[in-house]
Amino acid sequence: AQTVTQSQPEMSVQEAETVTLSCTYDTSESDYYLFWYKQPPSRQMILVIRQEAYKQQNATENRFSVNFQKAAKSFSLKISDSQLGDAAMYFCAYRRGTGNQFYFGTGTSLTVIP
Amino acid sequence: GAVVSQHPSRVICKSGTSVKIECRSLDFQATTMFWYRQFPKQSLMLMATSNEGSKATYEQGVEKDKFLINHASLTLSTLTVTSAHPEDSSFYICSARGTRGASDYGYTFGSGTRLTVV
Repeated sequence: AQTVTQSQPEMSVQEAETVTLSCTYDTSESDYYLFWYKQPPSRQMILVIRQEAYKQQNATENRFSVNFQKAAKSFSLKISDSQLGDAAMYFCAYRRGTGNQFYFGTGTSLTVIP
Repeated sequence: GAVVSQHPSRVICKSGTSVKIECRSLDFQATTMFWYRQFPKQSLMLMATSNEGSKATYEQGVEKDKFLINHASLTLSTLTVTSAHPEDSSFYICSARGTRGASDYGYTFGSGTRLTVV
């Protein structure tokens, strides 16, 4: 069974600083995708970044980057130059390469301090 | 880009009544739609997967007769909570996967529906 674990229920960061959110997962598959989704107070799920397991290069999207450690089954999200609008719930998610189902972690609530 | 519209955003209903939630893909054909439930401060739990024109596949523990899913067209899926009870109060989110021409729109989430049963 696939499981996704986010060990940090809450995190805070000073505006303009950098924060890293942790995520580990468990799978026996070799073909899969990993995601970070942002859920602001509006509750809309917004895709932040995606990583294909077969790619060794870490994905980056502007101020967001991941540290993908396949052997350790770790997938952390780094947010640089944090902004007030980054405050939200962040969910790490896993999906098998050939499957449709997402497995979500329990989320990390990020607070950005002005 | 791909947009999924979910309606209503909030609904309050009396215990024992039924509520229908719609999920529409606005600019792409959604071959597969997914319904999730999210309790306060918890993660999203997949309830069911539906493919256009076929019966939905429900996750273990989800009552098929209580949560009726219809995916009658490539742009619309509905979730009907039948004989709602207060314990059905939750946040329901749909997600759609589809294509438009040769483009794979991947997975897009709706904005969710807050259901409160009183």
